[in-house]
Amino acid sequence: DQQVKQNSPSLSVQEGRISILNCDYTNSMFDYFLWYKKYPAEGPTFLISISSIKDKNEDGRFTVFLNKSAKHLSLHIVPSQPGDSAVYFCAAADTGTASKLTFGTGTRLQVTL
Amino acid sequence: DSGVTQTPKHLITATGQRVTLRCSPRSGDLSVYWYQQSLDQGLQFLIQYYNGEERAKGNILERFSAQQFPDLHSELNLSSLELGDSALYFCASSVSGGNYGYTFGSGTRLTVV
Repeated sequence: DQQVKQNSPSLSVQEGRISILNCDYTNSMFDYFLWYKKYPAEGPTFLISISSIKDKNEDGRFTVFLNKSAKHLSLHIVPSQPGDSAVYFCAAADTGTASKLTFGTGTRLQVTL
Repeated sequence: DSGVTQTPKHLITATGQRVTLRCSPRSGDLSVYWYQQSLDQGLQFLIQYYNGEERAKGNILERFSAQQFPDLHSELNLSSLELGDSALYFCASSVSGGNYGYTFGSGTRLTVV
């Protein structure tokens, strides 16, 4: 049972444009969400997070939007840069019960010149 | 260097064998998590330890076991290996059980032949 879903395995975006990565979840107990970025031969690195009490969080070029009613979150990268090419994982946690993160399957982003 | 050290980086072994994967958490982190990433899959949570004690368990097979030692390093033991156990195994650490900004190691790639 995949509680966190990233339905787009890959995405290609031109340099300078906006990248939008999407994530859906099914567990209504999830109240904290994160995005991780992974380069080949490296472990995932934390990128940005959002609590369910907010609907938006920004950090530089990265913005995460949360739509609780739709159980949907998205990561916007503006402007996209070639160095952003990586696999992006969405993750979620139920802070009330356990600290483990539940991850999606990832979206491979390629930023082209 | 993320501060989380995993050894070995690569491991090739035969079916039926037993292997031990090692993880040293980032300095100051008390919580260690193990995740498995099979081909085209997300990171599947295996087990969490906090300050030497098991804190949470995921879909970890009975053939797998883990422990966290007094110096906080952790080992994941995989026995009676099957072809389907071939995967990337990631260790992550965090300061406490409620901190979700995990720091991941670069992983151990296990190939069972």
